[in-house]
Amino acid sequence: EAGVAQSPRYKIIEKRQSVAFWCNPISGHATLYWYQQILGQGPKLLIQFQNNGVVDDSQLPKDRFSAERLKGVDSTLKIQPAKLEDSAVYLCASSPGTNVYGYTFGSGTRLTVV
Amino acid sequence: AQSVSQHNHHVILSEAASLELGCNYSYGGTVNLFWYVQYPGQHLQLLLKYFSGDPLVKGIKGFEAEFIKSKFSFNLRKPSVQWSDTAEYFCAVTPGNTPLVFGKGTRLSVIA
Repeated sequence: EAGVAQSPRYKIIEKRQSVAFWCNPISGHATLYWYQQILGQGPKLLIQFQNNGVVDDSQLPKDRFSAERLKGVDSTLKIQPAKLEDSAVYLCASSPGTNVYGYTFGSGTRLTVV
Repeated sequence: AQSVSQHNHHVILSEAASLELGCNYSYGGTVNLFWYVQYPGQHLQLLLKYFSGDPLVKGIKGFEAEFIKSKFSFNLRKPSVQWSDTAEYFCAVTPGNTPLVFGKGTRLSVIA
């Protein structure tokens, strides 16, 4: 089966610019997650979708980050405006449902803010 | 809030040495436990998982982990590492139908 697709793979932007990341989960996976992985740390949850509804966005910095999952399939994560501390790898993962049997992760988007 | 501690930041082993990576979590109830591996330049992959039953779990590539409830631990082991095991290893926990909480990871370097 095809994996979780993410694009772009790398992105370099200047601070205060905006950026968007895209994720296409495994077909049929109802649950989609965005994680932020800062260098030297483990992934930290930003937002969880169940179909096209938000389940948990308590750790999403809503003043600058936004995410959507239209039609319950693809998702985009946006940062506007970016700060230096947003430099990280943004990981998308999907799972069949809310019961956790392990996620399938995408390759991630490495964001560098200069 | 639940948290996951991985004690070793970087482990360096020679090929054929035995491996044990520590993982402790802070959550008092029933938990689901995972180990993920991230090879250089690749995405996170599931190594093994524990939900219930036999506390000794076997995963892919000869890895195993033991859940010790009294110690809130889920240590990863492999009897004999290979150079190809060089990677970063993440322990993750969830109490159930909530997103995984990850530890900071342990970088394993295997030298010939």
